[in-house]
Amino acid sequence: GDSVTQMEGPVTLSEEAFLTINCTYTATGYPSLFWYVQYPGEGLQLLLKATKADDKGSNKGFEATYRKETTSFHLEKGSVQVSDSAVYFCALIKTGNQFYFGTGTSLTVIP
Amino acid sequence: EAEVAQSPRYKITEKSQAVAFWCDPISGHATLYWYRQILGQGPELLVQFQDESVVDDSQLPKDRFSAERLKGVDSTLKIQPAELGDSAMYLCASSLAPGSDYGYTFGSGTRLTVV
Repeated sequence: GDSVTQMEGPVTLSEEAFLTINCTYTATGYPSLFWYVQYPGEGLQLLLKATKADDKGSNKGFEATYRKETTSFHLEKGSVQVSDSAVYFCALIKTGNQFYFGTGTSLTVIP
Repeated sequence: EAEVAQSPRYKITEKSQAVAFWCDPISGHATLYWYRQILGQGPELLVQFQDESVVDDSQLPKDRFSAERLKGVDSTLKIQPAELGDSAMYLCASSLAPGSDYGYTFGSGTRLTVV
């Protein structure tokens, strides 16, 4: 069945460091891929998405490229801030179906 | 910006008691989802509505969980009786229609603790 695998955390970085959170997926057909962010005690917020191969989603300095050849959608940011501390979820969806989420990666950015 | 409203934000209940959560989706959103997120894990779908009809409840533990969306607008998720393993965040999400072309908006969730 469809699934998402993302790197386990927690991840701790210093402010202004480079961030990569790996995400790979398994799905038949052509899913859309998403990154959601969850701040403590809050629901999920959409960070970025890509709907077809080679698309790049970007928002707030974060980027991810839909790589069909490697079935990956890695999240990157060139310079993290303390305010980026949160849990990040990779997810996929196919038309008419439900979201499949990864287990989440906790990021802590220290000043 | 339109939001998905959920209440209560936090709920503590004793084992074997009944508990209910409420969700008000964004106006005009026909598709509504309930997800359960156990601490340290990603959300998992419990039930999906299209208007007032259940589209997918295959992962809903129907012996104790029920969900309704009587007028195709707001929705209620009920657990009776609650068990310790039900402690989790319950998230509601809505969309104009199912499918990745439409935006999905999540509510802030209800954190349930069963003691």
